[in-house]
Amino acid sequence: GQSLEQPSEVTAVEGAIVQINCTYQTSGFYGLSWYQQHDGGAPTFLSYNALDGLEETGRFSSFLSRSDSYGYLLLQELQMKDSASYFCAGLYINQGGKLIFGQGTELSVKP
Amino acid sequence: EADIYQTPRYLVIGTGKKITLECSQTMGHDKMYWYQQDPGMELHLIHYSYGVNSTEKGDLSSESTVSRIRTEHFPLTLESARPSHTSQYLCASSGRGEENYEQYFGPGTRLTVT
Repeated sequence: GQSLEQPSEVTAVEGAIVQINCTYQTSGFYGLSWYQQHDGGAPTFLSYNALDGLEETGRFSSFLSRSDSYGYLLLQELQMKDSASYFCAGLYINQGGKLIFGQGTELSVKP
Repeated sequence: EADIYQTPRYLVIGTGKKITLECSQTMGHDKMYWYQQDPGMELHLIHYSYGVNSTEKGDLSSESTVSRIRTEHFPLTLESARPSHTSQYLCASSGRGEENYEQYFGPGTRLTVT
């Protein structure tokens, strides 16, 4: 089946830039979503890439490279409130259009 | 603001009990999902529905069942709870045609089976 790989944890300081990578399996792949989940909370949608390139939404940007089967989430001007888990999720058409989630990256932002 | 609700938020129940976790959304979305998530782990899809009277099992084997009699309501039932069912259960919905990349999640139900 499909699986997505991302680092289990990342640490950065306030004000810095951090990149969270995600690699995915290509069979049936349609696009890549990113979700944020604070401890104990509901996941919330951040961004989606169906085409190669960068999508920018405020301090957050997401990138996709189909040729490399790879994407990343870029967080700029980090704030303490950005400490959370970040999940990449692949949209797979051969799975009935379901999202397959990566295992999540726990981001810790230090002062 | 997404309008998707789950009750109860927390539930502690004994082994062998039957329980129903409720999920409702007011966005008119056709597609609804149930995920199971252990602390610090990924979300596993256990059931989904693409419309009324349509339900499918997800990727993770589950002893639960679901029903979709109304568009807005997607309850999940465990006929006989076991300690292995202890987890967080997240309900979600999406409505963008064939592309389900943006899902709206409820606050979750934290289930503990003793």
